[in-house]
Amino acid sequence: GEDVEQSLFLSVREGDSSVINCTYTDSSSTYLYWYKQEPGAGLQLLTYIFSNMDMKQDQRLTVLLNKKDKHLSLRIADTQTGDSAIYFCAESGGGADGLTFGKGTHLIIQP
Amino acid sequence: SQTIHQWPATLVQPVGSPLSLECTVEGTSNPNLYWYRQAAGRGLQLLFYSVGIGQISSEVPQNLSASRPQDRQFILSSKKLLLSDSGFYLCAWSARGARGNTIYFGEGSWLTVV
Repeated sequence: GEDVEQSLFLSVREGDSSVINCTYTDSSSTYLYWYKQEPGAGLQLLTYIFSNMDMKQDQRLTVLLNKKDKHLSLRIADTQTGDSAIYFCAESGGGADGLTFGKGTHLIIQP
Repeated sequence: SQTIHQWPATLVQPVGSPLSLECTVEGTSNPNLYWYRQAAGRGLQLLFYSVGIGQISSEVPQNLSASRPQDRQFILSSKKLLLSDSGFYLCAWSARGARGNTIYFGEGSWLTVV
C-alpha cells in the first residue's frame, strides 16, 4: 500500500533555513502536498506540487520534487518563531478516498 | 469562499457514553467529506469518507460510525466510547472531481474519554 515517511523532529536556529524531507512509495501520485499544523489547530494547506513539476517557489517556501527517487522536500527560508509547527507531507493518487499523510515533522526553532 | 465548521471543539466523555461530532461545509456543493483521527504520535488516520448523501466508506473497522444526512453535513458517532477513542478528530472536505483532491480541514475536535 501507499506509505509516506518523514522525520519526526527538526531543530533549526531562528533565521536559518529549514529543510523538511519526505519520501513516498506510490508512483502514481499526481499531487504532493505540505500542510502545517499549529498547536491545537487543524491542518492548514501550505503548498502543493504537481507530479510533472520539479520545483515550486512561493515567497519563503520552496518545494523540490525528485520523482525518480520519490523524494519531496520543503525549504523554509529565514525561519521565524511563527514557523514552529508540525509539517505534514501528503500524496494523492487523485481518488475520492483522500490523501495519504506522513506522521508529521515537528519543527523546533531555537533562538 | 468555502468554510468548514466542526463542533464541539472540546469534549470529555466517560467510557461507554455516546458520541456525536458534527461538521458542516459552506460555499460549495457536492463536496467529498472526510473524518480523520490524529492520535498522539501516530499521524493522521482516515476513518470515513463520503462522496454523496448517504454514501459512507469506512477505512478502519472500529466502534465509530459516520452519516451524511445532507449534502454538506457529516456526522461522526459512537454508541459506546472506548478509552482508545481519545484523540483529535478532524473533519475535512475536497471538491468533487477536482484534480489532485486537495483537502481542506476544519479546526478539529479534542475528545478525551475518561
